[in-house]
This record gives sequence, structure tokens and C-alpha cells, in this order.
Amino acid sequence: EPEVTQTPSHQVTQMGQEVILRCVPISNHLYFYWYRQILGQKVEFLVSFYNNEISEKSEIFDDQFSVERPDGSNFTLKIRSTKLEDSAMYFCASCGLVNNEQFFGPGTRLTVL
Amino acid sequence: AQTVTQSQPEMSVQEAETVTLSCTYDTSESNYYLFWYKQPPSRQMILVIRQEAYKQQNATENRFSVNFQKAAKSFSLKISDSQLGDTAMYFCAFMKGQYNAGNMLTFGGGTRLMVKP
Repeated sequence: EPEVTQTPSHQVTQMGQEVILRCVPISNHLYFYWYRQILGQKVEFLVSFYNNEISEKSEIFDDQFSVERPDGSNFTLKIRSTKLEDSAMYFCASCGLVNNEQFFGPGTRLTVL
Repeated sequence: AQTVTQSQPEMSVQEAETVTLSCTYDTSESNYYLFWYKQPPSRQMILVIRQEAYKQQNATENRFSVNFQKAAKSFSLKISDSQLGDTAMYFCAFMKGQYNAGNMLTFGGGTRLMVKP
């Protein structure tokens, strides 16, 4: 069964460093999403992406964040200059045209020191 | 803006018994979808069940069913004949719109369910 994959599973970085989180969505899906979950808090929407552009973004998704689909398969989230408060679990999701089901990846745990 | 509230941070149930997880939401939208997602330990979230707001009939998927009370903005999940594999974090989620695959999900805080043998 096709699934969303994410790499790495755990990323540790120093404050101020750039990180790129990678996702491979399900191959025939057209909508892509990033969510994050700070430890002990709710899963929060960051951004949605369709037709090579951002569809919607939350207040969290400021100028430090960017998304890209560089090669038609990977979907990446870049944080330019990480802050301590960026430490969280980051989930990628994708959705096809058939229904509203978003399929989630296993997440990347980002730790900013 | 939408909000989703799950008032039970943790619950437990004996194997083979029935458990109900609560969810309430607040929205001014008239067209929307509601979802329950399950997240087993160290694994990705998977969809358990979906309810379209325009449908009066409650959704069911095998042992999982919902009690959708639109006027009360309540969307509870009932798990019958609980199994050990049901142990997981359960998230209630809201999506505005009518059959628009691009919209974001708004999640509740989650309920950790433990099924005891």
C-alpha cells in the first residue's frame, strides 16, 4: 500500500542553523501539507501546496519557512534560521482528488539546541 | 476560525468493551467534514472515520462509529469490542468546505486511549 515517507526521522540542529525536512508524498496525490506538533500540544497546520504554489498558510509559517517541490516527487520544508521554539514533530501529508483523506507521514522530530 | 476540543486527555478500556471518545467543535461554516485519526505509538496518523456535515446519518466503519450532533457541534467516536491494537492517540479533526481536497485540517488536542487486557 502506498504511503508517505519522511526523512530524517530525527534531526538535531543548533539554533540559527538551516534545516531541510524531506517528504515523499504518495505518487498520484496533488495536495501536500506540513503540520507540526510541539511536545504536549495540538497538531498545527503550517502550509498547504498545490500546483507548485502555496494554497494556504498559517500564522506560524513566517518568512523563516519555505516549501518546495524540487523534482516532482520530494516535498521539502526549509527553516532558514532555527529557533528553540521550532523544536517539534513535523508531519507531512498528501491528498488525492478522489476524497478528502489526507495521508500522513511518520514525522520528523526536530530538536533545536 | 475553527476550534476543536477533546476534553479527555487519557482514557482506558478493558479489551472487548466499548469506549466513547468526545469531541466538540466550533465553526460558522455550513459545509465541512469531521474526521477521527488514530496515531499508534511511533507510527503515522491514519484515518479512522469521516463524517460529512451535510449527512444526517452517522458514519460507521466496522467497530468504529460516530455520534454526530450537528446542532450541538459534537462528534464523538465509539469503539466497540476494543482490541489491544486500538491503543493509540486519537485526534478529532475539522476541515471546512465541501469536497475540496485542498483545505487544511484543524485538530483537537488528542485523547490517549489505552486498551487493557
